[in-house]
Amino acid sequence: SAVISQKPSRDICQRGTSLTIQCQVDSQVTMMFWYRQQPGQSLTLIATANQGSEATYESGFVIDKFPISRPNLTFSTLTVSNMSPEDSSIYLCSVPVDSHSGANVLTFGAGSRLTVL
Amino acid sequence: TQLLEQSPQFLSIQEGENLTVYCNSSSVFSSLQWYRQEPGEGPVLLVTVVTGGEVKKLKRLTFQFGDARKDSSLHITAAQPGDTGLYLCAGAIHDMRFGAGTRLTVKP
Repeated sequence: SAVISQKPSRDICQRGTSLTIQCQVDSQVTMMFWYRQQPGQSLTLIATANQGSEATYESGFVIDKFPISRPNLTFSTLTVSNMSPEDSSIYLCSVPVDSHSGANVLTFGAGSRLTVL
Repeated sequence: TQLLEQSPQFLSIQEGENLTVYCNSSSVFSSLQWYRQEPGEGPVLLVTVVTGGEVKKLKRLTFQFGDARKDSSLHITAAQPGDTGLYLCAGAIHDMRFGAGTRLTVKP
């Protein structure tokens, strides 16, 4: 399955600032997903990053707060804008394990742990 | 309300004990996945179950998919400290959804 590199692995940010998280995959993939994992919680899908078109956001997440770029089939960025302490979470990039499993089986990056003061 | 309900939420046991964690839903899934997540890492896929009633074994871990494909269980035999982690079940209807997880601690 694909290998995913995320950076930064962790960061401490000031309220009101924005941070961009990068996700690099070692193979070309059609779909890339961004998840949020709040402290002690499970994973919530933020959006699907589509190459060549705008990201598809889940209910409760908007483009102004979480702009996403997908310039090619191996790379995506997620920006957390105008951060508040409630944005303190682990942000995870994921892709399907293989083309045969579709979007139903995922492999994940190690995550980016953001702490907002 | 979670689409996938996992229980127990927390479990702390001694090395060598057996345990079972559960993943339940009112929805039918074409497949369910189990992941394990260790601190500082992303979730790692353990298994996918597809057929109702299916049982899969991965060393000391036994996974079962319910006959109606609405629930699944994970049984660990003779747990070891290396089994410590967050166990997540996941399934897709329109998109992938995760349960809240079972946080397992195995004490030496």
